[in-house]
Amino acid sequence: GAGVSQSPRYKVAKRGQDVALRCDPISGHVSLFWYQQALGQGPEFLTYFQNEAQLDKSGLPSDRFFAERPEGSVSTLKIQRTQQEDSAVYLCASSLAGGYGYTFGSGTRLTVV
Amino acid sequence: GENVEQHPSTLSVQEGDSAVIKCTYSDSASNYFPWYKQELGKGPQLIIDIRSNVGEKKDQRIAVTLNKTAKHFSLHITETQPEDSAVYFCAASSMRNDMRFGAGTRLTVKP
Repeated sequence: GAGVSQSPRYKVAKRGQDVALRCDPISGHVSLFWYQQALGQGPEFLTYFQNEAQLDKSGLPSDRFFAERPEGSVSTLKIQRTQQEDSAVYLCASSLAGGYGYTFGSGTRLTVV
Repeated sequence: GENVEQHPSTLSVQEGDSAVIKCTYSDSASNYFPWYKQELGKGPQLIIDIRSNVGEKKDQRIAVTLNKTAKHFSLHITETQPEDSAVYFCAASSMRNDMRFGAGTRLTVKP
């Protein structure tokens, strides 16, 4: 597609529920990033993939967060046993290669009730 | 790691006036400084970027300046229009896929 596509756009989860957020990057983009954006804040880095390899996961806030990109294209961010503090917009970005020219998706707004 | 500070957090200007947003960064290895515009319900959109080998870059009504010695960079928007109203984010990276963002500036342009 022409841009980065994220689904679902909105997700409401009950506390303790597992969720999976999907990102379809721009075709051919090698690098893929996940960011978490709390209300009124800037995006905070979660994790980075180069093709299928997860090269940096230093931003994942706890072991309840897990990301994968098994075939080097679509990526899924999974959050287990969701907590209220997980409520945020989760942004995915991709780039052709290297650390510049990020294109962001519209994000998934997760609300944990 | 990199730490990016951005100010002001909110900025209100009259249509036609200029707007300036300033950022500082901490990591001297950072050499790429993009600016993003985020509208309600959308992801951040790149509007301009600058690399450390230049001090200024301009694209129509938007310009960015960089002072590597002082570790700060600024976004300048001239002849502001109501459609410029949005949240603006600065970011810094060393091109090692380590981009970090400022907290954002909410710009309101009053007609």
